Amino acid sequence: VLTQSPGTLSLSPGERATLSCRASQRVSGNYLAWYQQTPGQAPTLLIYGASIRAIGIPDRFSGSGSGTDFTLTISRLEPEDFAVYYCQRYDSSPQTFGQGTKLEIK
Amino acid sequence: QIQLVQSGTEVRESGASVKVSCKASGNTLTPHGFNWVRQAPGQGLQWMGWISAYNGDTDYAQNIQGRVTMTTDTSTTTAYMELRSLRFDDTAVYYCASGYYVSGKLLLEYWGQGTLVTVSS
Repeated sequence: VLTQSPGTLSLSPGERATLSCRASQRVSGNYLAWYQQTPGQAPTLLIYGASIRAIGIPDRFSGSGSGTDFTLTISRLEPEDFAVYYCQRYDSSPQTFGQGTKLEIK
Repeated sequence: QIQLVQSGTEVRESGASVKVSCKASGNTLTPHGFNWVRQAPGQGLQWMGWISAYNGDTDYAQNIQGRVTMTTDTSTTTAYMELRSLRFDDTAVYYCASGYYVSGKLLLEYWGQGTLVTVSS
């Protein structure tokens, strides 16, 4: 099980966002990804391997962590960053998703 | 860059089956595999399973095993997901996702637009 916190995060543009993803069992090889989903759209891969930005993802997005505790940080929020964020483990089956963190404008 | 184009909205009665397609185009390199992910209305993402584009190996989520079959047609670079014995709680948007292996694992870099499947009585 992947548990994301907080469930909802209310911040203003320009602020820093820190999202957490905790695994009930160790994620081997740091095979942990983060996705962003805006309403009505498919998810977009942001981070893989816990800390590697996918192609085209701005450097204000960064991932960190290992083992069971992972973090997605958005250094300075832009208006387009307000969305739902999911973590996913892809080290083994089932490739579980967290329940999501909704990042909303304060 | 891969584009994934899925088939359109489906409405089925409870107990029926549905088959959703996902066609990949835009890159000379065939994607390495396809995952299927669904999202019930207002809910989060649920991983359904994976199929290798090389040899057709599959891996299904336990909660739908026995009702789902994933296949690929390598000649058209199209993936299919069939779900049988539909229940009301199968109502969801179904996404295919694909990409290439990095460090031995399939990255879901590319996603289809989603297919809404509604199960009604």
